[in-house]
Amino acid sequence: GQSLEQPSEVTAVEGAIVQINCTYQTSGFYGLSWYQQHDGGAPTFLSYNALDGLEETGRFSSFLSRSDSYGYLLLQELQMKDSASYFCAVRGHSSGSARQLTFGSGTQLTVLP
Amino acid sequence: NAGVTQTPKFRVLKTGQSMTLLCAQDMNHEYMYWYRQDPGMGLRLIHYSVGEGTTAKGEVPDGYNVSRLKKQNFLLGLESAAPSQTSVYFCASSIDRGYEQYFGPGTRLTVT
Repeated sequence: GQSLEQPSEVTAVEGAIVQINCTYQTSGFYGLSWYQQHDGGAPTFLSYNALDGLEETGRFSSFLSRSDSYGYLLLQELQMKDSASYFCAVRGHSSGSARQLTFGSGTQLTVLP
Repeated sequence: NAGVTQTPKFRVLKTGQSMTLLCAQDMNHEYMYWYRQDPGMGLRLIHYSVGEGTTAKGEVPDGYNVSRLKKQNFLLGLESAAPSQTSVYFCASSIDRGYEQYFGPGTRLTVT
């Protein structure tokens, strides 16, 4: 099976930098994705890491270490609109769902003025 | 392009009733998925499809059935609704084996 752990809540102030960690257990790892979901909204794709290292997309970056089964999402220059839930999702192999995504429980980010 | 749309947006059912949720996508994606999301939890995969005419079970398939008769549509059926199926249901689609999935707006279902 697959499991992911991420903090349930993170709070930061506008303009700051915040890091959301994700550790995972899976067999047959193919990649780690990050999604953002605002209250009452649909999840939207942010980034994907299949190889070790840092991927940067504007103010957001995502990092992966396959040897540590660990990744993080880094949000820079926080804005109020970044207040949302952030989910890591692992693409691995489990019986009946080969290579599909398994989502973590999400981290609620609150950005304070 | 509308992307991924879901019908209906809200529904209240009584225990034992049946219903079908409709998902449609106009991006010509091969892969489609149905998830449920419960408060404070992530998305859990119910069923998915890797192409027209195919379906497969996900993590939590019991009590649900699906059909993919047309490439653009993916239907989720509840034959006999139970209170445990109260949840928000999201449909998603992807070009390939889905690290980047596009989600619909969700259907909020309450079973009393």
